[in-house]
Amino acid sequence: GENVEQHPSTLSVQEGDSAVIKCTYSDSASNYFPWYKQELGKGPQLIIDIRSNVGEKKDQRIAVTLNKTAKHFSLHITETQPEDSAVYFCAGGSQGNLIFGKGTKLSVKP
Amino acid sequence: ETGVTQTPRHLVMGMTNKKSLKCEQHLGHNAMYWYKQSAKKPLELMFVYNFKEQTENNSVPSRFSPECPNSSHLFLHLHTLQPEDSALYLCASSQEKGNQPQHFGDGTRLSIL
Repeated sequence: GENVEQHPSTLSVQEGDSAVIKCTYSDSASNYFPWYKQELGKGPQLIIDIRSNVGEKKDQRIAVTLNKTAKHFSLHITETQPEDSAVYFCAGGSQGNLIFGKGTKLSVKP
Repeated sequence: ETGVTQTPRHLVMGMTNKKSLKCEQHLGHNAMYWYKQSAKKPLELMFVYNFKEQTENNSVPSRFSPECPNSSHLFLHLHTLQPEDSALYLCASSQEKGNQPQHFGDGTRLSIL
């Protein structure tokens, strides 16, 4: 079946550095790719999304890139801050449902 | 404030108990979802409702029974659960079913004794 692979599972960066999380998907029909941030004790919160007709999208310190040929997409966080520490999930929209990756625990050290 | 409210936030129950989880969304959405979140695993889609009609049951055991009385409310009725059912149960909503942004509640942490 369809699946989404996410790497790395954990990522530790120094405050001010950049963080990159990568995902690959298997269903070539996927056309919607959201990213979620989940803080401890909270539900996932949508932070940015991209559709397959766009190669890149940016929102302040967050950007997402999509390579449909290679079937992978990435989340880029620049100038990381301690409050960026959380678990990040990628997802691919396939047949009307979202298939999620396993998550990346990002730790930003002050 | 997420716009999607889940109650209770925590629930401990024995395997023979019957309990219900509740989800309410204030976003005017027409699709609602139940997910199961376990450690080290991706979010697992359980059920989907679109305009109050169930459109997806992702091979969920019958001990989980969903109910959607209207587009704003979603319930998950639980009975005779197993220890492996202990997890965080998340509710989400979107404008309609499809490849659209889903908005999540903060979940119910369920523990089965």
